[in-house]
Amino acid sequence: DADVTQTPRNRITKTGKRIMLECSQTKGHDRMYWYRQDPGLGLRLIYYSFDVKDINKGEISDGYSVSRQAQAKFSLSLESAIPNQTALYFCATSDPRTSPSTDTQYFGPGTRLTVL
Amino acid sequence: KQEVTQIPAALSVPEGENLVLNCSFTDSAIYNLQWFRQDPGKGLTSLLLIQSSQREQTSGRLNASLDKSSGRSTLYIAASQPGDSATYLCAVNAGNMLTFGGGTRLMVKP
Repeated sequence: DADVTQTPRNRITKTGKRIMLECSQTKGHDRMYWYRQDPGLGLRLIYYSFDVKDINKGEISDGYSVSRQAQAKFSLSLESAIPNQTALYFCATSDPRTSPSTDTQYFGPGTRLTVL
Repeated sequence: KQEVTQIPAALSVPEGENLVLNCSFTDSAIYNLQWFRQDPGKGLTSLLLIQSSQREQTSGRLNASLDKSSGRSTLYIAASQPGDSATYLCAVNAGNMLTFGGGTRLMVKP
């Protein structure tokens, strides 16, 4: 089984609808992240959480909210979806016990979201 | 604010060629730099991680170098194969989070 899973893998929705993307991990990591990827722009950080009680905005948090339900679960919500939120969304985890010089992130397979 | 740039954005080469992908970053205060591979419909796979104190890392046909003072890294792929076709992303870690470049989309033709 994959260590980081995302559901759904693909979603098509309409403008104005509320959407929730879910991420679960079995790696036992405290830190979790949500990114979006647009063609040619790499990945940009939306929100991140360093533990269950910690939530932080990333580079592009406007129009999004998150919920950290447990150490293993981190959800991303679009309260009222708009077409320019059409993108590929990735969840990632990292282990805070790792030295900063070797710190890395582990990514889920991504969710392709299309807002019509 | 850290900015990461990758050149070229796309590259097409015949099988067997050696090639170099470039990554540049604006702030040299980093802990490490990573190269990831991204295949369509799949997540990111870490290829190489270079710590800030290191100059290069090697894995099989891949070699990544880091010149922190000039803000540059290169990924060298030797004897390219069609299976190397993917998007390659570099990312710098300046503490707690990664900043990504836009990626290089590589096509290796048989």
